[in-house]
Amino acid sequence: RKEVEQDPGPFNVPEGATVAFNCTYSNSASQSFFWYRQDCRKEPKLLMSVYSSGNEDGRFTAQLNRASQYISLLIRDSKLSDSATYLCAVGRTGGFKTIFGAGTRLFVKA
Amino acid sequence: DAGITQSPRHKVTETGTPVTLRCHQTENHRYMYWYRQDPGHGLRLIHYSYGVKDTDKGEVSDGYSVSRSKTEDFLLTLESATSSQTSVYFCAIRGDRVNTEAFFGQGTRLTVV
Repeated sequence: RKEVEQDPGPFNVPEGATVAFNCTYSNSASQSFFWYRQDCRKEPKLLMSVYSSGNEDGRFTAQLNRASQYISLLIRDSKLSDSATYLCAVGRTGGFKTIFGAGTRLFVKA
Repeated sequence: DAGITQSPRHKVTETGTPVTLRCHQTENHRYMYWYRQDPGHGLRLIHYSYGVKDTDKGEVSDGYSVSRSKTEDFLLTLESATSSQTSVYFCAIRGDRVNTEAFFGQGTRLTVV
């Protein structure tokens, strides 16, 4: 079993839709959590960190459920420009290593 | 954008030849990482460094070695390239504070023929 797992997708949604990504992690001692966005043939870039109390940045909401060991990303009112691959990342205890999920591809259609 | 550059950006090499990829940062960050990215596998950690001359293995370290003789440079070497090492390689850096995010270089597309 992979340490960090994501739904591989792809997700195909119309503009304006709400889409949710989930990510599970197996190491209960993990202490940092992130969502990255990766455009085609580009490097991953941080979308947002995920805090225990949940956090929001405009149309994006991230949540952490430590008991069930998953993090989620909700995108409201999807835009064409949201089309990308979304990667979750988990930092291990000690903070040295960051382990990534395989990513979920999102296509937003007009 | 974080000051991190990778070289070369593209390389084609023959099976059995040694290859070295370079990651250079201008942020003076302590932590540096090498990942490879392949379809269906996402980003997998090869090696990482937590200081000059301090390195450790990641999930997929077989066939790779690294060196860090200066804070700003982290080298990844494929001792004898194989076709299974055809991939996109990303370097990343991270600051000292626990739970900070990683910043990535633009990637190196390596093809082993």
